[in-house]
Amino acid sequence: GAVVSQHPSRVICKSGTSVKIECRSLDFQATTMFWYRQFPKKSLMLMATSNEGSKATYEQGVEKDKFLINHASLTLSTLTVTSAHPEDSSFYICSARSAGDATQYFGPGTRLLVL
Amino acid sequence: GESVGLHLPTLSVQEGDNSIINCAYSNSASDYFIWYKQESGKGPQFIIDIRSNMDKRQGQRVTVLLNKTVKHLSLQIAATQPGDSAVYFCAENPARPSQMDSSYKLIFGSGTRLLVRP
Repeated sequence: GAVVSQHPSRVICKSGTSVKIECRSLDFQATTMFWYRQFPKKSLMLMATSNEGSKATYEQGVEKDKFLINHASLTLSTLTVTSAHPEDSSFYICSARSAGDATQYFGPGTRLLVL
Repeated sequence: GESVGLHLPTLSVQEGDNSIINCAYSNSASDYFIWYKQESGKGPQFIIDIRSNMDKRQGQRVTVLLNKTVKHLSLQIAATQPGDSAVYFCAENPARPSQMDSSYKLIFGSGTRLLVRP
C-alpha cells in the first residue's frame, strides 16, 4: 500500500519550454501532496504544499509563476516548470499523505535536464 | 531556527555488523519522526516512524530510538546487508498544525550515507 508514482521519470527539454510532471497516489486518496527539489548529494528542499481543491502554498523563495502546481483530484497533482532554464535542472520528487496521517510517501522522482 | 541534523555524514560498516545512524533535532515540540532510505536516483522510501509518546519502536531489522531529553533520534539496523547501502534521512513533524494549517510538513535532516563493506 501507499504507492506514489511520478511521470516522466526523466525528461530533457530545451531552454524556454515548459515541462509538466505528474504525481499520482495509486492506492490511497492524497489530501495533501508535496513537491520537493533535490540537488546532488543534498537533502530534500520543500518547494510547495498542495491540498486538493485549493491553491498551493509555496515556500519562501519559490516562484509560484515559475512552478505551477495543480491538485485537481485526490490522486493527482502536477508540477509545471514554465520557461525552463538550465538552472532548473534538478531531481524533482513528490510525496503524498492521506487525511489524518502525517506520514509522507514519496514518488520515484523525475530527473529534469534543461539544455 | 528549527533544524534537524545528523552527526555523521558518512558511515561505513562491515556486512553483518549493526549500524547506528544518529540525528539531532531542535524543535522540542515535534511529535512525530520518520526515517527514510534513499537509494541513488530514487525517491525516499519510508522505513519506520515513531511518535513522541514512545521512546523505542522496532521493525524488521530496524529499531528507532527517541530521546526527548536530549532531542536525539537514532536508527539501528541489525545485521547490515549490502542492500542497506543508501542515504538515510530523518524527518520531523513539528507540533500539530493549527486548524488553519493542515499541511503536516516534514523537516528533513541533511542525510547520512551508509556504505556496507562486503
